[in-house]
Amino acid sequence: GDSVIQMQGQVTLSENDFLFINCTYSTTGYPTLFWYVQYSGEGPQLLLQVTTANNKGSSRGFEATYDKGTTSFHLQKTSVQEIDSAVYYCAMRDNTNTGKLTFGDGTVLTVKP
Amino acid sequence: EAAVTQSPRSKVAVTGGKVTLSCHQTNNHDYMYWYRQDTGHGLRLIHYSYVADSTEKGDIPDGYKASRPSQENFSLILELASLSQTAVYFCASSADWGGAGSQNTLYFGAGTRLSVL
Repeated sequence: GDSVIQMQGQVTLSENDFLFINCTYSTTGYPTLFWYVQYSGEGPQLLLQVTTANNKGSSRGFEATYDKGTTSFHLQKTSVQEIDSAVYYCAMRDNTNTGKLTFGDGTVLTVKP
Repeated sequence: EAAVTQSPRSKVAVTGGKVTLSCHQTNNHDYMYWYRQDTGHGLRLIHYSYVADSTEKGDIPDGYKASRPSQENFSLILELASLSQTAVYFCASSADWGGAGSQNTLYFGAGTRLSVL
């Protein structure tokens, strides 16, 4: 079945540090990949969608890339700020007409001032 | 702005009791989902629906039922609550399943924290 592996459970950085989070996926066909962000006390919200291999998506200073060859996708930000502290989820949608997303386990990002 | 409202926001239930979690969306979306969030395990799909009066099983449906009486409302029902069902539950909606030309953004509610004792 479909799976998404997000290895980094916790990341602690200082302001202006570089952020890099990596996920790998397994599915048949051509998936659509997403990054969702969850702030404390809220539900997840869409941060980025990446639909084309080797293309980038960007939003709020975050950038996402997708490598079909290694079935991996990454989220990065050049200079994190304290307000970026949140849980980041990678997710994958298969090609069935259900709209279902398979989520990674999440990365808790803490940015120290 | 999409709006998905969940009630209650938190609940304490007794083992073996019946629990109903409610979700209401005002987005005119056809698709609705129930996800469960456990610490360290991300979000897992319990049930979903793409039309009123019809529900589908997700990846972890055992011990849960769902009801979609209208386009706007989607409920999750635990007939016999168990300790293992202590978790945070999220409802979400989307306009469609995400075919060509569609972004299929999921809009989540704020969650219901369920504690089964």
